[in-house]
Amino acid sequence: KAGVTQTPRYLIKTRGQQVTLSCSPISGHRSVSWYQQTPGQGLQFLFEYFSETQRNKGNFPGRFSGRQFSNSRSEMNVSTLELGDSALYLCASRGDYEQYFGPGTRLTVT
Amino acid sequence: GENVGLHLPTLSVQEGDNSIINCAYSNSASDYFIWYKQESGKGPQFIIDIRSNMDKRQGQRVTVLLNKTVKHLSLQIAATQPGDSAVYFCAENMNSDYKLSFGAGTTVTVRA
Repeated sequence: KAGVTQTPRYLIKTRGQQVTLSCSPISGHRSVSWYQQTPGQGLQFLFEYFSETQRNKGNFPGRFSGRQFSNSRSEMNVSTLELGDSALYLCASRGDYEQYFGPGTRLTVT
Repeated sequence: GENVGLHLPTLSVQEGDNSIINCAYSNSASDYFIWYKQESGKGPQFIIDIRSNMDKRQGQRVTVLLNKTVKHLSLQIAATQPGDSAVYFCAENMNSDYKLSFGAGTTVTVRA
């Protein structure tokens, strides 16, 4: 089986812009979660989608949003980018229990 | 390279020795735990998991121990190899909650 794929792998944006990141889960997995990883805060949960519905949400502002499509692919969007949004954004695909992560998208906000 | 019971942000291990990485989790209601390995420039890689109805689980060269009384999790790596150098994270999850809460991570460096 192919693993979790994320695109793009690297992204540079300017403050105030918006960005959309994409994730394709492992085939057959219907749950997709998003995490933000920074040196200061570590790995933090953003949200989780299952069958196109958001099931859980972390403690992030409304600028962070996501969605899931009928083929389980997911996107997350960050609007009005701030310098502090610079991070590695990770997508995780979940079967029964185990969560498998993609390589991440490295977002740099200048 | 053993530091039983104490979480350290870094661990230096001689190649061939056994490693023990410790983690204290926060939620007594957590019932599922995972260890991940993250190499530079990559996403976390699943190593091994354990459910709260178990206290030990073994994989290939790795063993996870769970002590629910003191909310402590450990990962033992046997015969540590240079390829084991990475950051190791523990994560906890409640079955009814679909998010993972991660520990701070331990950077393991294997000395040749």
